[in-house]
Amino acid sequence: EPEVTQTPSHQVTQMGQEVILRCVPISNHLYFYWYRQILGQKVEFLVSFYNNEISEKSEIFDDQFSVERPDGSNFTLKIRSTKLEDSAMYFCASRMDRLNTEAFFGQGTRLTVV
Amino acid sequence: AQKVTQAQTEISVVEKEDVTLDCVYETRDTTYYLFWYKQPPSGELVFLIRRNSFDEQNEISGRYSWNFQKSTSSFNFTITASQVVDSAVYFCALSENSGNTPLVFGKGTRLSVIA
Repeated sequence: EPEVTQTPSHQVTQMGQEVILRCVPISNHLYFYWYRQILGQKVEFLVSFYNNEISEKSEIFDDQFSVERPDGSNFTLKIRSTKLEDSAMYFCASRMDRLNTEAFFGQGTRLTVV
Repeated sequence: AQKVTQAQTEISVVEKEDVTLDCVYETRDTTYYLFWYKQPPSGELVFLIRRNSFDEQNEISGRYSWNFQKSTSSFNFTITASQVVDSAVYFCALSENSGNTPLVFGKGTRLSVIA
């Protein structure tokens, strides 16, 4: 069964460092998302991506964040200068199209900023 | 604006008991989708069900059943004869605009099933 794959599963980084979280969406999917879940809290939308551009983003997704699809298969989330409050589980999701399909989530990357 | 409320933060039941997880949503759209996801201790999000706003038929899948009532804006989830493996956090989510908008999640309900 096709699945969304995220790497790494856990990343520890020092405050102020840049991190790149990687995702390989399901191959025939066209819409890609990043969500964040601070420990013990709800899952929050960060950004959606379609046709090589951001289609929607939340207030959380400020200038410190960026996304790109560099090679047609990977979908990355970059945090330029990490803060302690960026520590969270980051989920990538993809869906085939906008209508009548569910989003499939990756297993998540746990980011710890120290 | 869309909003999902899961009023039950934590529920604890003894194995084999039935348990219902509540979900109440708010939306101004007439066409939307509702979802339930399971998050086991390992952390991943496992899709359980999707229901569109025009389909109010209740659904049963094994020990799981869902009760969608537009009149009360609720989409409740019942686990029959609970098992220890059902222990997880369960999230209800909503997508407006015919499902075009990203998912908005509730805060989740942590279910503990005790042997």
